[in-house]
Amino acid sequence: GAVVSQHPSWVICKSGTSVKIECRSLDFQATTMFWYRQFPKQSLMLMATSNEGSKATYEQGVEKDKFLINHASLTLSTLTVTSAHPEDSSFYICSARDWGPGSYEQYFGPGTRLTVT
Amino acid sequence: EDKVVQSPLSLVVHEGDTVTLNCSYEVTNFRSLLWYKQEKKAPTFLFMLTSSGIEKKSGRLSSILDKKELFSILNITATQTGDSAVYLCAVVVGSARQLTFGSGTQLTVLP
Repeated sequence: GAVVSQHPSWVICKSGTSVKIECRSLDFQATTMFWYRQFPKQSLMLMATSNEGSKATYEQGVEKDKFLINHASLTLSTLTVTSAHPEDSSFYICSARDWGPGSYEQYFGPGTRLTVT
Repeated sequence: EDKVVQSPLSLVVHEGDTVTLNCSYEVTNFRSLLWYKQEKKAPTFLFMLTSSGIEKKSGRLSSILDKKELFSILNITATQTGDSAVYLCAVVVGSARQLTFGSGTQLTVLP
């Protein structure tokens, strides 16, 4: 099956620094990737939709200047949390949708646990 | 605003029991409904349902969609401790095929 990787799997950073999370589709091309955030004991909340070669579409309430998304190729999207604060500590998960208009399935990465101290 | 509601929020059963998890939705531009199992990390895919009334089955798990009443159920028969997880329901909407997730049902299966 399709595989999506994320790097790093966990990261601890100091308040005020920036952190970059990578999401890669390993064996398929993903025109669209999605970034989610999950707080403890809560469901996944969609942050943004990332389309290759164009600007990301952010969900209401998500600061685009704080969560920078770049989808430079069909296999890589990055999420940069800028000037991180403790309230940004969360589990960040990406997913990738396979090429093709009829493809509804999304393949999830293993997630990145971010802790901001 | 799109909404996906799962019930119950949590459930504790004993091995061998049968459980039914519910998912109702109110969304615009429905495409399909997906069920996922989430343990420690990212969700793993279980089922995709697009048509009403057609049961999808995989081992002890089965699911069905009712597009008229806007809900789906996930059944697990003869539960095992390894079934303990959060079960997430998500609806695919729009041309971008975004997923809107429910809050999940925390299932705990006791030995």
